[in-house]
Amino acid sequence: TQTVSQSDAHVTVFEGDSVELRCNYSYGGSIYLSWYIQHHGHGLQFLLKYYSGNPVVQGVNGFEAEFSKSDSSFHLRKASVHWSDSAVYFCAVGGSNAKLTFGKGTKLSVKS
Amino acid sequence: EAAVTQSPRNKVTVTGGNVTLSCRQTNSHNYMYWYRQDTGHGLRLIHYSYGAGNLQIGDVPDGYKATRTTQEDFFLLLELASPSQTSLYFCASTGTGNAEQFFGPGTRLTVL
Repeated sequence: TQTVSQSDAHVTVFEGDSVELRCNYSYGGSIYLSWYIQHHGHGLQFLLKYYSGNPVVQGVNGFEAEFSKSDSSFHLRKASVHWSDSAVYFCAVGGSNAKLTFGKGTKLSVKS
Repeated sequence: EAAVTQSPRNKVTVTGGNVTLSCRQTNSHNYMYWYRQDTGHGLRLIHYSYGAGNLQIGDVPDGYKATRTTQEDFFLLLELASPSQTSLYFCASTGTGNAEQFFGPGTRLTVL
């Protein structure tokens, strides 16, 4: 069974601030981890993915995430947020069965 | 860019009604998925498919049927709709099991 936990339902920051959105997972086998973004009224869009190799992966629009096997984590970070980054962010874990299990999402609000 | 379309975009039906949600992808992807999104639950997988004629059970399949008629088309069927199935439904597709998923714009279903 694969599970994903996003501990923060809502995060609020100011434009130009850095932000970290937290994701913890549990899965017994070989996994891949990903982050998706959902702007209001739209479907989800892929941001980045980790499968193997360098634990720090770069995504679109300045986002990056770091995989930690010891912490069972895959936190998403951005050094300087823009108001357009306001959205809901979903962490997802997948295994060999072609299924993705999504977290409940973290709503990021960026104030100007 | 991958294209996933869904129809209808909005649907209202009554308890006991018969509803079919349609999804089409034009990217020759093998895998297609149906999710429901509810506040407090994130995205939950209903059914998915590896290809035409194939159907796999997801995590919340009760009350739903699905059929993959072609590589492009994946349908979700609610034969006796209930108010608990009021939700936002997303279709997604991907080429391989661990690649990024491409999402449609969603169908908002209300069961009165």
